[in-house]
Amino acid sequence: AQSVTQLDSQVPVFEEAPVELRCNYSSSVSVYLFWYVQYPNQGLQLLLKYLSGSTLVKGINGFEAEFNKSQTSFHLRKPSVHISDTAEYFCAVRPTSYGKLTFGQGTILTVHP
Amino acid sequence: DAGVIQSPRHEVTEMGQEVTLRCKPISGHDYLFWYRQTMMRGLELLIYFNNNVPIDDSGMPEDRFSAKMPNASFSTLKIQPSEPRDSAVYFCASSFGQATGELFFGEGSRLTVL
Repeated sequence: AQSVTQLDSQVPVFEEAPVELRCNYSSSVSVYLFWYVQYPNQGLQLLLKYLSGSTLVKGINGFEAEFNKSQTSFHLRKPSVHISDTAEYFCAVRPTSYGKLTFGQGTILTVHP
Repeated sequence: DAGVIQSPRHEVTEMGQEVTLRCKPISGHDYLFWYRQTMMRGLELLIYFNNNVPIDDSGMPEDRFSAKMPNASFSTLKIQPSEPRDSAVYFCASSFGQATGELFFGEGSRLTVL
């Protein structure tokens, strides 16, 4: 079984500041890793994913994440946030052999002017 | 292209009533998922289908919940009888192919059971 822990339930930050949203996972099998974003009253959208290869992956809207196998982490970063980045962000894992996509509890990012 | 389409977007019903949520996945996608989102429990996978066949329904809370996928373009999630604790946002998502496939989510159906 897999589990995902998002270490911060809420992250407030000022506009143009950098941000890091932390994600740790646990799994007995190899997994793929994902970050999704949910804007108010909408479904989830894929930000980025790690399947293999370079451990630094870049996604939409200027976000990037780094896979660290030894620390079983997949933290999401953005060097300069905008008001429009205010949303809830979900880290997720799925076994490489297919199966359930397991989500973390989510981190609410609030960007203040 | 149209995304995943869910209906109704909002449903308010009374305890004991039957609720049916509907989903039309993206054409060509062979996996369909039903998730439930609540403040307390976050996003929970209820059931998923591959090529219209249920693969894993271990997340379905109890016998009051049932899901069907009669064809590749339609799925339903039914709750009978509904209870206040079923109040949540229910999401349908679809994907194509193996584990690398991105899940595409609908906008959700917000259910309130009074």
